[in-house]
Amino acid sequence: ETGVTQTPRHLVMGMTNKKSLKCEQHLGHNAMYWYKQSAKKPLELMFVYSLEERVENNSVPSRFSPECPNSSHLFLHLHTLQPEDSALYLCASSQDPLGNSPLHFGNGTRLTVT
Amino acid sequence: QQQVKQSPQSLIVQKGGISIINCAYENTAFDYFPWYQQFPGKGPALLIAIRPDVSEKKEGRFTISFNKSAKQFSLHIMDSQPGDSATYFCAASGGTSYDKVIFGPGTSLSVIP
Repeated sequence: ETGVTQTPRHLVMGMTNKKSLKCEQHLGHNAMYWYKQSAKKPLELMFVYSLEERVENNSVPSRFSPECPNSSHLFLHLHTLQPEDSALYLCASSQDPLGNSPLHFGNGTRLTVT
Repeated sequence: QQQVKQSPQSLIVQKGGISIINCAYENTAFDYFPWYQQFPGKGPALLIAIRPDVSEKKEGRFTISFNKSAKQFSLHIMDSQPGDSATYFCAASGGTSYDKVIFGPGTSLSVIP
C-alpha cells in the first residue's frame, strides 16, 4: 500500500467519548502533520512532527492529544470534544518539515461530535 | 502578513474554456507556492508548484503564473474538463518556521458540459 492512509473514514462521537484517529504513511517521509478542515475556512495546521518529535503545536486545545510512536504512524487522541470540533481531520506527510516540499494528504476522517 | 487571499470563491466554466484562480500573499519570505486539488471525499493532492525564480510553469493543461513584484500568483486551467471539477487551494510557504505553510480558503470549480 502506498501514500497516506487514515482510519476511520467516518466517526461519530458524543461529547464524553474518547476516540483516536490513526494515520500511516508509506512514503518514507520525515515529517507528519494533523490539519483540520472546516467548511469555508482555510486548512488549519494543528500539529507537526519531525522525526517523531513534536515541533509545533498550533494553539490547539488540550482535548486533542497527538502521538507519534515512529516516523510512519501518527495518532490523534480525542476526548471531551465540543460540537464545533466537527470537521474533516487530515493527516499529511512531507520530506521537509519546514513546508518547502509537497504535502501528501490522506483522505481524512470526517468527525461528527454530537 | 501570514494570510493568503484567494479568489473567486466559486467558479463555473464551460467545457473547453479557461479557468483562472488568483491568489495574493503578503509575506516576502515565502518561496514555495503550490496548488492543491481536492475532490469530494478525498484529501488535497499537489497539482503543480512554483518557486519565485521563474514567472511561469506549465504542466499539461495547468499553468502557474507568478508575479513577484505584485506578490500574486494564479492558476490557469486550459481546455477545462468536467473531470477538473474540484476545489483548488493555493498555498505559500518558506522561511524557518513550521507553521509557514499558509493555505488560501479554496475555490470550488465546476466545469459544465
